[in-house]
Amino acid sequence: EAGVTQSPRYAVLQEGQAVSFWCDPISGHDTLYWYQQPRDQGPQLLVYFRDEAVIDNSQLPSDRFSAVRPKGTNSTLKIQSAKQGDTATYLCASSFGDSSAETLYFGSGTRLTVL
Amino acid sequence: EQQVQQSPASLVLQEGENAELQCSFSIFTNQVQWFYQRPGGRLVSLLYNPSGTKQSGRLTSTTVIKERRSSLHISSSQITDSGTYLCAINSAGNKLTFGIGTRVLVRP
Repeated sequence: EAGVTQSPRYAVLQEGQAVSFWCDPISGHDTLYWYQQPRDQGPQLLVYFRDEAVIDNSQLPSDRFSAVRPKGTNSTLKIQSAKQGDTATYLCASSFGDSSAETLYFGSGTRLTVL
Repeated sequence: EQQVQQSPASLVLQEGENAELQCSFSIFTNQVQWFYQRPGGRLVSLLYNPSGTKQSGRLTSTTVIKERRSSLHISSSQITDSGTYLCAINSAGNKLTFGIGTRVLVRP
């Protein structure tokens, strides 16, 4: 069974540039999460979807970040104008069902460096 | 405020030694999970333990929800156990809140 796939693996930007991250969850998983993990910290939830609907985006900096999952499968997270403080690894995870008792499967992440 | 606290921050073991990792949380939850992350690698779920004691191989987790704490015991550590162990709780709805983790290094 294929796992959660993310691309690109790495991204290096200058401040003010835009970047998009792409996630392909495990087939059949209806719930998809985006986490931000700064260096030496735990992951912090940005947004999560059930199918194509945003369930919670309260921690997503809406002025610069956006996330979509138009067909309830793949998802894209975009940073419109990156800042140095956005330097982190961006993790995508998926699960089946809406309880956190369900095992989350994580992708390998996209490591973003903003210079 | 860090809602999930983990200790120790780091740990060095000789291969074969046992280790106990601690997790405490400042808010009520009914779900605790432990994850493992190798440097540069993906997060992997180890144990889901809402209460009591759960075991998976050489890993044993004990959770006492009313005391807002959980522990992860690693027995007979191996070099391949090196990495970061993260505790996560379900905080409001379907959101996992993670601790910063405990870095474990197992030496031969």
